[in-house]
Amino acid sequence: AIQLTQSPSSLSASVGDRVTITCRASQGISSALAWYQQKPGKAPKLLIYDASSLESGVPSRFSGSGSGTDFTLTISSLQPEDFATYYCQQFNNYPPPLTFGGGTKVEIK
Amino acid sequence: QVQLVESGGGVVQPGGSLRLSCAASGFTFSSYGMHWVRQAPGKGLEWVAFIRYDGSNKYYADSVKGRFTISRDNSKNTLYLQMNSLRAEDTAVYYCAKERPYYGDLYWGQGTLVTVSS
Repeated sequence: AIQLTQSPSSLSASVGDRVTITCRASQGISSALAWYQQKPGKAPKLLIYDASSLESGVPSRFSGSGSGTDFTLTISSLQPEDFATYYCQQFNNYPPPLTFGGGTKVEIK
Repeated sequence: QVQLVESGGGVVQPGGSLRLSCAASGFTFSSYGMHWVRQAPGKGLEWVAFIRYDGSNKYYADSVKGRFTISRDNSKNTLYLQMNSLRAEDTAVYYCAKERPYYGDLYWGQGTLVTVSS
């Protein structure tokens, strides 16, 4: 199964900072990658699909890039509501399994 | 408005069984593949099972294969997860999720908590 390695596992940042989270796949997955935001006690919420497509209604400060094995989620100017845990997810193979990265917790500095 | 509402969670003893349901609305349920994904307390996301739009194919994580069964009733717009021989390590919030065709990303329900404990 394809493995996803996210880094860092946690980070501390201030409001207004630029934040970058990376996700590395164990083999090439083209652009079949999504990013989610999860707040405590809530379900994950889709931010980015197809590696770089912004989901409708998601603020433009979120962006995704990459293809093949290396991917990045960037928050251009961190806002108070962005403190959460972020996960990547791949969908390159059929049939499943789907796989998720281990998560990156973004905390207030 | 897409809605996925899970139910059926609760506390069960090791070795016991539980059936989760996921009621879908706001989209043509019979046209979409559906997943179950779980999250143990304080841990990351783990894919559990998938069923094709018509129920013709089902896939499972190795950790639940032979113990869990995914099914759907398209006439009732409902997804199910039958969980047997439950173990302490199955304790988690269980989410049902709708898969976007081609892109493979997920739209999630709010989750239901399953606790396996004596």
